[in-house]
Amino acid sequence: DSGVTQTPKHLITATGQRVTLRCSPRSGDLSVYWYQQSLDQGLQFLIQYYNGEERAKGNILERFSAQQFPDLHSELNLSSLELGDSALYFCASSVEIGPGYGYTFGSGTRLTVV
Amino acid sequence: AQTVTQSQPEMSVQEAETVTLSCTYDTSENNYYLFWYKQPPSRQMILVIRQEAYKQQNATENRFSVNFQKAAKSFSLKISDSQLGDTAMYFCAFMNSQAGTALIFGKGTTLSVSS
Repeated sequence: DSGVTQTPKHLITATGQRVTLRCSPRSGDLSVYWYQQSLDQGLQFLIQYYNGEERAKGNILERFSAQQFPDLHSELNLSSLELGDSALYFCASSVEIGPGYGYTFGSGTRLTVV
Repeated sequence: AQTVTQSQPEMSVQEAETVTLSCTYDTSENNYYLFWYKQPPSRQMILVIRQEAYKQQNATENRFSVNFQKAAKSFSLKISDSQLGDTAMYFCAFMNSQAGTALIFGKGTTLSVSS
C-alpha cells in the first residue's frame, strides 16, 4: 500500500456519460498530480494541485476538470466521455511542490468507455 | 519542450543476469532530475531510483544503478542479479528544476525475467 488511495479501481460507463475519479494523497503530502496512461500515448500529465490551488496543466481536455478540496483529497471529473478516454488514470502525491521529490502513485482507476 | 525516449520496447533476461535499459532525453535546462519507475503487472507505479543532474556520481539502490551521461543526455538503468520479481514495465522520467513542473515519462520498456 503506497498510501495514495484511488477509487474506484474499475469503472465501466457509456459514451456521453460523466464520471468522477477520487484520490486521497498520502498523509502529509500537499501536492496531487493526475496522469492518464493509455497504450498509444503512454503516461500523460493532466493537471497538478498544491494545497487546493491549481499549479500546472498538461494535456488535459476541456471536457475534463479537477479540484483539490480543503482536506487535500482530489477529484478528476470526466464528462461527455468518448471511447478514446478509456485508459488507466493515476493520481500521485508528493510532500512539496518543488522538483526532486519523488512522487508516490496510487494504484490507478481503470476506466472503460463502451 | 522536454522529451524522453526509450528505444527498447521489450527486453528479456535470465535470472541472475545483468540487463541495461536505455533512456535518452532532450532538454535545454542545466538543472533537472531523472527517475526510473517500475510498473509490475499489479500496475502500481514504484520509484526505483532518482538522479540529480548536478551530481556527477551515479545513483545506486541495491541491485539497481544508473549510468548518467549528462553531455550525451543519456540515463540508463542497470539491473544486476535479475530476479523474477523484476518483471515489469520500466519508465524513464524527467523533471526540470522549476517548482510546479510535472514528470515527463518515456513510453516504457517491458522487461521479462525468466528462470
